Amino acid sequence: GAVVSQHPSWVICKSGTSVKIECRSLDFQATTMFWYRQFPKQSLMLMATSNEGSKATYEQGVEKDKFLINHASLTLSTLTVTSAHPEDSSFYICSARTRRGSYEQYFGPGTRLTVT
Amino acid sequence: GQNIDQPTEMTATEGAIVQINCTYQTSGFNGLFWYQQHAGEAPTFLSYNVLDGLEEKGRFSSFLSRSKGYSYLLLKELQMKDSASYLCAVAFNTNAGKSTFGDGTTLTVKP
Repeated sequence: GAVVSQHPSWVICKSGTSVKIECRSLDFQATTMFWYRQFPKQSLMLMATSNEGSKATYEQGVEKDKFLINHASLTLSTLTVTSAHPEDSSFYICSARTRRGSYEQYFGPGTRLTVT
Repeated sequence: GQNIDQPTEMTATEGAIVQINCTYQTSGFNGLFWYQQHAGEAPTFLSYNVLDGLEEKGRFSSFLSRSKGYSYLLLKELQMKDSASYLCAVAFNTNAGKSTFGDGTTLTVKP
């Protein structure tokens, strides 16, 4: 149980275009989803916390107009990287929490974004 | 601020035991996670310690001392497949359920 999927697993896009990444909890309802970014040989950096039906909470330094997060249902959150630039190339990972008060997160397989 | 430290790299021999340490200085501490991450993949859950002491789970054990701000992950009977990055992460005592990750320790297991 507690499986999280991400789509696509990898994507290449041109500078200036937008890319949408989907995160789905397949066998549970996720009250909260988290979006992380990971650069090569670095750790996970939390970008934002996404709660179903409300606005995402962004971490300091993360541009909310550039990284649009929509948590439309209890099983789906999307991250859209708008006007992508090469420096946005990274590994984007989502995770989901099953219930409030639970600290365990279930991670998706990640999405490798390359902006050319 | 939040500060989590762990060694950058470690090397060990197949069949041996290795201990990966993690120290933290944070406010609002609730518990500490250990995750394993292979290159190009998402992290997988290993353990979550809330109370002081050692928790054993097969070849992997995790220890926590809240008063010392210290944890370690102990890997026994090392196998080549254990070569990976090991991340410790602090969970904060808030409804948001956020965690902050250390930079990770890259473990290389040699024959």
